[in-house]
Amino acid sequence: ETGVTQSPTHLIKTRGQQVTLRCSSQSGHNTVSWYQQALGQGPQFIFQYYREEENGRGNFPPRFSGLQFPNYSSELNVNALELDDSALYLCASSKPQGGTEAFFGQGTRLTVV
Amino acid sequence: AQSVTQLDSQVPVFEEAPVELRCNYSSSVSVYLFWYVQYPNQGLQLLLKYLSGSTLVKGINGFEAEFNKSQTSFHLRKPSVHISDTAEYFCAVSPKRSNDYKLSFGAGTTVTVRA
Repeated sequence: ETGVTQSPTHLIKTRGQQVTLRCSSQSGHNTVSWYQQALGQGPQFIFQYYREEENGRGNFPPRFSGLQFPNYSSELNVNALELDDSALYLCASSKPQGGTEAFFGQGTRLTVV
Repeated sequence: AQSVTQLDSQVPVFEEAPVELRCNYSSSVSVYLFWYVQYPNQGLQLLLKYLSGSTLVKGINGFEAEFNKSQTSFHLRKPSVHISDTAEYFCAVSPKRSNDYKLSFGAGTTVTVRA
C-alpha cells in the first residue's frame, strides 16, 4: 500500500503570491487533513476534508483554502502569501474513525520572502 | 476545544538511560491520546495511542505511555534509549466526538541522546 506523498518538497515564494500544495492520500483513506508547523512549534490544524467536503476548520483565515478530489487526493491553496506563512505544511490521511491513526506525508517546506 | 502542554521543550539524555516526556491536556470532552515522533526532515510517525481500557499502552521501539485521567496526563517513557531515538516528540489529542477527527498537538519535546 502506498503512503502519503506531498509535492513539492520545498518551495520559495514572494510575499503576495499564491501557492498550491498537493497531497496524495494513503490507499483506502478518504479523509485528508492539513497542518501548518512553524519552526519549533507543533503542527496546527488547518482543515480536514472527508469525501470531497470540508469537515472542520482550524483558526486560519479564508485565504487558506482546499480541495479534495474523487480519488481522495487533496490540494491546499494559500492566497496573498505573508512572511508568517513560512512553515512546514503537513498532509495526513486517515479513515473516518475516531482514534484511528493519521498517516503523515513528509511535508512541504514553504519559504515566503 | 482541546489544548496540549508538553512540559519539557528539550530533554538531553545519555544512551541506555531512561527517559520520560511529560504531557498534560485539557478538554471539555473525552479525548483519544497519541504520541507521534518526527525525525529530522520527515513527517510524523505514530508511536502509540490510548483509546480506552488499560491505562498503560505500549508502542513501537520500546516506548510506553500511561494515561492518568484524574491528572489529565499522558506521559511517555522508555527504559533505555538509543542514539536513534534522537528526534522531536509530539503529544496530541483528538475529541471523542462523531465526525471530528482533528488532532491538537503540543509544542513538542526535543530529545537528544548522547553517547
